[in-house]
Amino acid sequence: EAGVTQSPTHLIKTRGQQATLRCSPISGHTSVYWYQQALGLGLQFLLWYDEGEERNRGNFPPRFSGRQFPNYSSELNVNALELEDSALYLCASSWGTGSNQPQHFGDGTRLSIL
Amino acid sequence: QKEVEQNSGPLSVPEGAIASLNCTYSDRGSQSFFWYRQYSGKSPELIMFIYSNGDKEDGRFTAQLNKASQYVSLLIRDSQPSDSATYLCAVEGGSQGNLIFGKGTKLSVKP
Repeated sequence: EAGVTQSPTHLIKTRGQQATLRCSPISGHTSVYWYQQALGLGLQFLLWYDEGEERNRGNFPPRFSGRQFPNYSSELNVNALELEDSALYLCASSWGTGSNQPQHFGDGTRLSIL
Repeated sequence: QKEVEQNSGPLSVPEGAIASLNCTYSDRGSQSFFWYRQYSGKSPELIMFIYSNGDKEDGRFTAQLNKASQYVSLLIRDSQPSDSATYLCAVEGGSQGNLIFGKGTKLSVKP
């Protein structure tokens, strides 16, 4: 069974640009979560999608947005990139809703802002 | 605001010893608890989850939960150098859907 897949592996952008990160969940998983892991910081929750709807978002500005497609894959968009957006962006998926379900992570996209 | 606390370490143990990793959480209503292992430069890998008070064993790993004390731990028996990694404790965020992570404990197993 394929795990959570994310693309691209690395992404280099400059300040003010826009970035799009993609995620495909484990087959059968309907919930997708996005987390940011900046250097020296813990995992910070960004967004939760389930059944095509945004269910919750973390304490991030509106320039962080995303969507979930009918096949449950998801993309994260970051507009007006800032230097502090440099981080590892992790996507996780789970079977069904509810945070009592184990979440399984992809390998992440490392976003570097120059 | 819900919080999860872990000792950042590093925790150093000799090969073959028991490594004990600890975590406390602030929300008494939390029901689900997870341990992830993260190697340097890699993504977190789920190794254990526990929902009920007491112990849960899986191979060399044992998760222990004490809801009264708001404390969850992970024991690694017969530690191997390949266990050297950062271990993240995570607690369910309730209806919010997300997991709330501690900052992790770095474990080093010396040959």
